[in-house]
Amino acid sequence: DSGVTQTPKHLITATGQRVTLRCSPRSGDLSVYWYQQSLDQGLQFLIQYYNGEERAKGNILERFSAQQFPDLHSELNLSSLELGDSALYFCASSVDPAGFSSYNEQFFGPGTRLTVL
Amino acid sequence: GNSVTQMEGPVTLSEEAFLTINCTYTATGYPSLFWYVQYPGEGLQLLLKATKADDKGSNKGFEATYRKETTSFHLEKGSVQVSDSAVYFCALRGGNEKLTFGTGTRLTIIP
Repeated sequence: DSGVTQTPKHLITATGQRVTLRCSPRSGDLSVYWYQQSLDQGLQFLIQYYNGEERAKGNILERFSAQQFPDLHSELNLSSLELGDSALYFCASSVDPAGFSSYNEQFFGPGTRLTVL
Repeated sequence: GNSVTQMEGPVTLSEEAFLTINCTYTATGYPSLFWYVQYPGEGLQLLLKATKADDKGSNKGFEATYRKETTSFHLEKGSVQVSDSAVYFCALRGGNEKLTFGTGTRLTIIP
């Protein structure tokens, strides 16, 4: 158990819908990362938050957005869903103290499997 | 940008065989290198890491050495077990903090 929790575990929805995925980082971790794992694209970085602020952006679609709340949990919002958004979405967290971040390990949650029908 | 090239799978070995999964990378600067493992139905777990050239990461009988001259971080294990069956991902992390992953190698060990 990494200490990172993600809910829900599975989500089945229809095209055009909107869903919210939730992540609670390990206690004390300030940084949260979202990754998408799909069969055709592999594991891709989507976005990172550090202490409530967006820190880095990867291959995240405009239909997707995220935020990190004052209690440090994060939500990933996916809207206007398409079949191709079906994937496993992972959240990871790391300590990332300000000013030193190159080598901190990222701990991954179990993932949310999204199926768009 | 950063990239990781990983040995294509799937790989099927008999129990107690020697394992090598190749990984090479392209990166600017001095990235940290990682191997993650994903067991069926589970999330990613860090298997081992190395943060500078010539470092050797090791865990659970697996080893990988950070070779800057060949930009490689090959994963090895001397004697695999059925319980090692999983998907293995090579990854790097540069100064921008995000992890860049290889495509993953599915390993199946048969008794």
